[in-house]
Amino acid sequence: SQTIHQWPATLVQPVGSPLSLECTVEGTSNPNLYWYRQAAGRGLQLLFYSIGIDQISSEVPQNLSASRPQDRQFILSSKKLLLSDSGFYLCAWSLKNIQYFGAGTRLSVL
Amino acid sequence: GDSVTQMEGPVTLSEEACLTINCTYTATGYPSLFWYVQYPGEGLQLLLKATKADDKGSNKGFEATYRKETTSFHLEKGSVQVSDSAVYFCAPVEGIKAAGNKLTFGGGTRVLVKP
Repeated sequence: SQTIHQWPATLVQPVGSPLSLECTVEGTSNPNLYWYRQAAGRGLQLLFYSIGIDQISSEVPQNLSASRPQDRQFILSSKKLLLSDSGFYLCAWSLKNIQYFGAGTRLSVL
Repeated sequence: GDSVTQMEGPVTLSEEACLTINCTYTATGYPSLFWYVQYPGEGLQLLLKATKADDKGSNKGFEATYRKETTSFHLEKGSVQVSDSAVYFCAPVEGIKAAGNKLTFGGGTRVLVKP
């Protein structure tokens, strides 16, 4: 069966520090992969999606970047965090239109 | 592109009350329609789906019918429980892998069921 792992679960970082969130999927190959952000009390915003290795599409201009160095690995990064980067970050993969989500990472930038 | 309008919450109900969460969408084609649920502190889970007009998705006592004529996919449950307290997201998706099978999520509706 397929599983998705996302870590860390929570993260507190100072403004200006770098960020790296990792997401891996097991039990499937060539999945579509996604990064979402959910600001407090708000809906989901799609940040990036990827249909293959090194194929990344950005949905909104922002302070973040994404990479997919391996088929089942999706990384969300920032060189310098802003206060506005705080939120709940969700990784997901999809097959046949259904998306499967990780447990999320709660990022607090102070 | 696709867009979705979902009723705003929070919705506060008593246990055993009826729940309806309205969702309407705009799409260029014929999307599949999904409801996802997010329990406190967790990621999203697929609740139910419908892939073509007049299909009814159902799960855990929830139902939603794909209404092409009104471009709606309202979520309903006849008798809610405290454990149904969560945020519910409506999402149409057009299944084009080259475009990433992107979901367009509604803003989410927070539901709070009180005992």
